[in-house]
Amino acid sequence: AQSVTQLGSHVSVSEGALVLLRCNYSSSVPPYLFWYVQYPNQGLQLLLKYTSAATLVKGINGFEAEFKKSETSFHLTKPSAHMSDAAEYFCAVRGLGSSASKIIFGSGTRLSIRP
Amino acid sequence: ETGVTQTPRHLVMGMTNKKSLKCEQHLGHNAMYWYKQSAKKPLELMFVYNFKEQTENNSVPSRFSPECPNSSHLFLHLHTLQPEDSALYLCASSQDIRGGSGSGELFFGEGSRLTVL
Repeated sequence: AQSVTQLGSHVSVSEGALVLLRCNYSSSVPPYLFWYVQYPNQGLQLLLKYTSAATLVKGINGFEAEFKKSETSFHLTKPSAHMSDAAEYFCAVRGLGSSASKIIFGSGTRLSIRP
Repeated sequence: ETGVTQTPRHLVMGMTNKKSLKCEQHLGHNAMYWYKQSAKKPLELMFVYNFKEQTENNSVPSRFSPECPNSSHLFLHLHTLQPEDSALYLCASSQDIRGGSGSGELFFGEGSRLTVL
């Protein structure tokens, strides 16, 4: 079965510093991969997605992620953190074939930004 | 109108009550989902509907009963819930990709916060 693992339930960085949120997936075939963001008391919003068109994917709000098949990773980065980036971030995978009807989410990483 | 709308946003109910959560999507999608989000737990997929047909039931207790009358509306009927069912219930929609095209990313509503006393 498809799954994703997010390393670190809480990440804290200073404003202006690099943001790196880690995600590893388990799949023998490159799946569809997603990063979502959730602000307090809101639903999830799509940041970016990997669909095999390009290994470096750019998303909204200055975020990007790189798909690395050799490492089965899809880490999320942003060069310079803003206070408004404080939120919960979820990595997710959609399977192929018989697993295509569902998206499975990681446990989430809470990002805090220090002034 | 926003893409996916959930009502009510907040609901408090006793264990013997019957209530329903409603979800409506205005995106022209044909797949709809219920997820449960509890504190300190990953999002749990509960149900998936494709073209009004239930295609996933992730071993959800029968006290949760979904209904999908058309591709734009999804309900979650609640009956004799337990306090541990208190959570944020998220509805989402996507294009159906079982035919093999598209990534089928989810579009979420803002959720219904359920408290069971």
